[in-house]
Amino acid sequence: KAGVTQTPRYLIKTRGQQVTLSCSPISGHRSVSWYQQTPGQGLQFLFEYFSETQRNKGNFPGRFSGRQFSNSRSEMNVSTLELGDSALYLCASSSGRGRDYGYTFGSGTRLTVV
Amino acid sequence: AQSVTQPDIHITVSEGASLELRCNYSYGATPYLFWYVQSPGQGLQLLLKYFSGDTLVQGIKGFEAEFKRSQSSFNLRKPSVHWSDAAEYFCAVGENRDDKIIFGKGTRLHILP
Repeated sequence: KAGVTQTPRYLIKTRGQQVTLSCSPISGHRSVSWYQQTPGQGLQFLFEYFSETQRNKGNFPGRFSGRQFSNSRSEMNVSTLELGDSALYLCASSSGRGRDYGYTFGSGTRLTVV
Repeated sequence: AQSVTQPDIHITVSEGASLELRCNYSYGATPYLFWYVQSPGQGLQLLLKYFSGDTLVQGIKGFEAEFKRSQSSFNLRKPSVHWSDAAEYFCAVGENRDDKIIFGKGTRLHILP
């Protein structure tokens, strides 16, 4: 059974640009959550999508957005990149049935903003 | 708002020694509790979880954790650590099945040979 796949693994962008990250969850999983991980702030929740609807949202500015497609694949977008957006972005999928099995994480996308 | 505190940023133990990583949470109802491990450059792997029932939970890689409601704690333990256990460990909590999961800041475990 394939795991959670995040693409790309590494990304370098310039301040002011926008970026789109992709996440393919485990087959059959309907919930996808996104986290930002930085050395100073740790893991911070961005948002969760379940069956194409945003179910939960963290405290991030509107520059951070996401969506989920009918096949459960999810994308997150960051517009007008700032230096502080440099981080490891992690995607996690779950069956959506009460998180009985917890989250399964992808390996992440390392975003560097220069 | 819910929160998770991992008081120890770094812990160093000798190989073969026992380990306990602390986790305290702030939550009203019975929380959903998790421990994850992250190796450098990797995503997070679920070690164990607690939803209800027996307060001593067994996980993978020989880890266990005990839920203590009176102390709002969910400490992770291992009787004898191996060099391969060196990693960062995260405690996490969710309010209910549909709530977001909040992570602690993590504890980095170092193993002395």
